Amino acid sequence: KAGVTQTPRYLIKTRGQQVTLSCSPISGHRSVSWYQQTPGQGLQFLFEYFSETQRNKGNFPGRFSGRQFSNSRSEMNVSTLELGDSALYLCASSLDSGSNQPQHFGDGTRLSIL
Amino acid sequence: AQSVAQPEDQVNVAEGNPLTVKCTYSVSGNPYLFWYVQYPNRGLQFLLKYITGDNLVKGSYGFEAEFNKSQTSFHLKKPSALVSDSALYFCAVRDPLPSYGNNRLAFGKGNQVVVIP
Repeated sequence: KAGVTQTPRYLIKTRGQQVTLSCSPISGHRSVSWYQQTPGQGLQFLFEYFSETQRNKGNFPGRFSGRQFSNSRSEMNVSTLELGDSALYLCASSLDSGSNQPQHFGDGTRLSIL
Repeated sequence: AQSVAQPEDQVNVAEGNPLTVKCTYSVSGNPYLFWYVQYPNRGLQFLLKYITGDNLVKGSYGFEAEFNKSQTSFHLKKPSALVSDSALYFCAVRDPLPSYGNNRLAFGKGNQVVVIP
């Protein structure tokens, strides 16, 4: 069974640009969550999507947004990029939302802002 | 709000010796607890979870963890460490309430484990 796939693996952008990251969950998983990992702040929850609806949102500005498609694939978008947005963005999928099943993570997209 | 503390930045252990990585948590209800491991340039890999039941949980690659409700701890252990266990380890907690629409995990800062040959 294929794992969580995130594309692209690496991305370089400049300040003010916008970026879209993609996540394909494990087949059959309907919940997709996004996390930001930085050396200073560690792992922080961005948002969760389930059945194309945002279920939960972390403490990030409105520049960070996401969506989920009918096939459970998800995208996150960051607009007006800032230097502080440089991070590893991790996507995680699980069977459903609110269960005791673990989340399974992709290898992430490393975003560098110049 | 749920939170996790991993008090040590780095854990050094000789190969073959027991390995312990400490974790304490704070959550309003009964917690769902998880351990993950991260290797360089990779995502997080699930090791084990505690939901309910036996306080000693066994997971992948010989790892186990002990849940202690009175001390609000969930320490990760391995009886005999391998050099290949060198990695970054994260403890995470999820508040099971509300049960619907809540997959939000709160992570500790992570512990770098170095196993010395």
